[in-house]
This record gives sequence, structure tokens and C-alpha cells, in this order.
Amino acid sequence: DAGVTQSPTHLIKTRGQHVTLRCSPISGHKSVSWYQQVLGQGPQFIFQYYEKEERGRGNFPDRFSARQFPNYSSELNVNALLLGDSALYLCASLAVPAQETQYFGPGTRLLVL
Amino acid sequence: QKEVEQNSGPLSVPEGAIASLNCTYSDRGSQSFFWYRQYSGKSPELIMSIYSNGDKEDGRFTAQLNKASQYVSLLIRDSQPSDSATYLCAVNGGAFSNTGNQFYFGTGTSLTVIP
Repeated sequence: DAGVTQSPTHLIKTRGQHVTLRCSPISGHKSVSWYQQVLGQGPQFIFQYYEKEERGRGNFPDRFSARQFPNYSSELNVNALLLGDSALYLCASLAVPAQETQYFGPGTRLLVL
Repeated sequence: QKEVEQNSGPLSVPEGAIASLNCTYSDRGSQSFFWYRQYSGKSPELIMSIYSNGDKEDGRFTAQLNKASQYVSLLIRDSQPSDSATYLCAVNGGAFSNTGNQFYFGTGTSLTVIP
């Protein structure tokens, strides 16, 4: 079985641009969470989605948005990029929202210049 | 805001020694605790989970939980150079909270095992 996949692996953008990151969970998993990990810090929770609905949101500005598709894959969108958005963006896959164990994808490393 | 605190290190131990990693958390109601290992440039991978007070052993790894002291630790016995990584402590914020099933992470402790 394939694990969690994320694309792209690396991305370079300039300030003010928009970015879309993609994630496919483990087959059979229905919930996806997104995290931002700035260099030297632990991952910070951004969103959780289940059955196409937002189930939770962390302390991030409205420039961050996400959605989940019928096949349970997910997109994270960030508008009006700032230098501080440079980070590793991680997608975590859970079978159901309340599952204790989450599995991370390889991440997308975003650099904003 | 729920806090998870870790000593950022770096922690250096010789090969074959015991590495001890510590973590404290602020939310007394937390029930689930996790240790992740993260190699440089890679995503976190789950090492252990612990839910009850006491020790839980898995191979060379032992997790210890003391809810009264709001403290969780990870011991790595017979440390190997391949254990050199950043170790992240994570606390589950509550599966049924209105903010989603979010995990709160510490900043991580960098471990170097010296051959």
C-alpha cells in the first residue's frame, strides 16, 4: 500500500504569490490534517478535514485555506505569501478523525523569497 | 494555548550509552502522548505512543509517563549513530475537542550519538 503522498516536494515562490499544496492520504484513511513546521520548531496544526468538511483549525490567518475532495485527497492553499510562510508543510493521514495515530507524508518544502 | 516543552539540546551521548529525552506539557487533561523521530530534511516518524502512567517498552525505546507531574520521557538504550536525529514530543489535544484532533508538538531535542 502506498503511504501518504504530497506534491510538490519543493517549491519556490515570491512574496504576494499564491501556492497550492496537495496531499493523498493512505488508502482507506478518510481524514487529513495539515501542519506547518518552521525550521527549528515543532509542527504547528493548521487544519483537519474529514468527509470534505473542516473539523478543526489552528491559529493561522485566513490566508490559509484547505479543502478535501471525494477521494479524500486534500489541498492546502496559501494566499498573499509572506517570507514567514517559508516552512515544511506536512500532511498527516488518519483513518478517522479521532484516531490517535497519525502518519505523516514526506512534506512540501516551501521557500518564499 | 497548550504548551509542550522540550530541552532543545543538542544532546550528545557516546555509542552504546543511554539517551534520556524529556518533555513537559501544560494541559493537565491531556490523555495521549507520542514520541516522533525526525531526521534532517525528513518528515516525523512515530516511535512510540503512551497513554497510561508508568513505563512502556518497545525494543531499545522506553517511554515513561507521569501525569501528576505532567511529564513524559523517552529513553534510548544502546544508542546507535543511526539514532542521531531530532526527537519530537507530541500531545493529543483531544479527539473530540471543537478544534479538531490536533497534536501539539514541542520544539524537539537534537540527539547526536558519537561513534
